[in-house]
Amino acid sequence: ELKVEQNPLFLSMQEGKNYTIYCNYSTTSDRLYWYRQDPGKSLESLFVLLSNGAVKQEGRLMASLDTKARLSTLHITAAVHDLSATYFCAVDIRGSQGNLIFGKGTKLSVKP
Amino acid sequence: GAGVSQSPRYKVAKRGQDVALRCDPISGHVSLFWYQQALGQGPEFLTYFQNEAQLDKSGLPSDRFFAERPEGSVSTLKIQRTQQEDSAVYLCASSYVRVAGPYEQYFGPGTRLTVT
Repeated sequence: ELKVEQNPLFLSMQEGKNYTIYCNYSTTSDRLYWYRQDPGKSLESLFVLLSNGAVKQEGRLMASLDTKARLSTLHITAAVHDLSATYFCAVDIRGSQGNLIFGKGTKLSVKP
Repeated sequence: GAGVSQSPRYKVAKRGQDVALRCDPISGHVSLFWYQQALGQGPEFLTYFQNEAQLDKSGLPSDRFFAERPEGSVSTLKIQRTQQEDSAVYLCASSYVRVAGPYEQYFGPGTRLTVT
């Protein structure tokens, strides 16, 4: 059975601290996606990772992909309150038409 | 430009009623996906269209769920005889055809369905 597992599922951080969210997946995938979702809102694309060793950074967020380990990480540097949201990783199964399999999400709360 | 739009944004239905949820994809996007997101969970795939052809409906939870995209643009997800377990946010996403390269799905704001 295909699984995408994120941990932690809940994360409470203080402003200024660093932390990493982990995403493990159980099958071969061509692409790994990170999305952000604010309460009551839709999904906002953050990163698309296409190959082993890919690293992308945007502001205080950095995502990486290790296809051999089937692991992606989302690293948060010097967290600020505006980063409070739920973060989802999703994989795109090789050979599919692109329907995404999502993890359960990591609810991040950044406190002053 | 305009993004993916969905209507209605909120729908309350009594158990047993039929509902229809609409999705307007980004112009020119060939691929259209429907997902169901239960409270506190990640989205789950329901069905996929390429133009007007429904190529994958493996995620539809029962035969009460039906989707169409007759002219290859606007899509409608219909749920017949709604049940309480159908309460969720229904997300629509569109994209260009999946080829090598970045390939992103763009999500609409969703329709929150509550069945009472």
